[in-house]
Amino acid sequence: GAVVSQHPSWVICKSGTSVKIECRSLDFQATTMFWYRQFPKQSLMLMATSNEGSKATYEQGVEKDKFLINHASLTLSTLTVTSAHPEDSSFYICSAPKVPTSYEQYFGPGTRLTVT
Amino acid sequence: QKEVEQDPGPLSVPEGAIVSLNCTYSNSAFQYFMWYRQYSRKGPELLMYTYSSGNKEDGRFTAQVDKSSKYISLFIRDSQPSDSATYLCAFSGGSNYKLTFGKGTLLTVNP
Repeated sequence: GAVVSQHPSWVICKSGTSVKIECRSLDFQATTMFWYRQFPKQSLMLMATSNEGSKATYEQGVEKDKFLINHASLTLSTLTVTSAHPEDSSFYICSAPKVPTSYEQYFGPGTRLTVT
Repeated sequence: QKEVEQDPGPLSVPEGAIVSLNCTYSNSAFQYFMWYRQYSRKGPELLMYTYSSGNKEDGRFTAQVDKSSKYISLFIRDSQPSDSATYLCAFSGGSNYKLTFGKGTLLTVNP
């Protein structure tokens, strides 16, 4: 089946630094990818929709300048957390639809970010 | 009223039990109904996907949708310890393919 990978799986950074998380579709092309954040024992909250070749669409309340999204190719989207703070510590997960017009999404394994 | 309601549990059952997991929703625009399984510190895995009222069966799993009542269920037969995970209901509708998730139900199947 379709596979989505993320890198790194776990990252620790100091407050004030920036962290980049990669999301790759391994055996299919993804014109759209989604980025979610999940706090402990909470559900997934959609942060933004990443569109290949165009600007990302952010959900209400998500700071565009803090969470930079780049979807430069059909298999790669990146999320950069800029000037990270301890409250940004969370589990970040990306997903991509199986085919562009499908509601079936494949999720990456997630990236655990810890900001100290 | 919340858009999606899911009992967070936790739910603990003995091996071999039948498990019933449920979600209600209020958004009439939801047309696609999914169940995901998430193991601890992993990404969600799609279990079942349906877009019509009624039952859909896949092995030990049965997804049930009642659009008139805005209620969906996931049944797990002959539950196994490997089924221990968090189960998330998810909904979608419209042209943007976004998913709205329930909070998840933590299930533990005891050997």
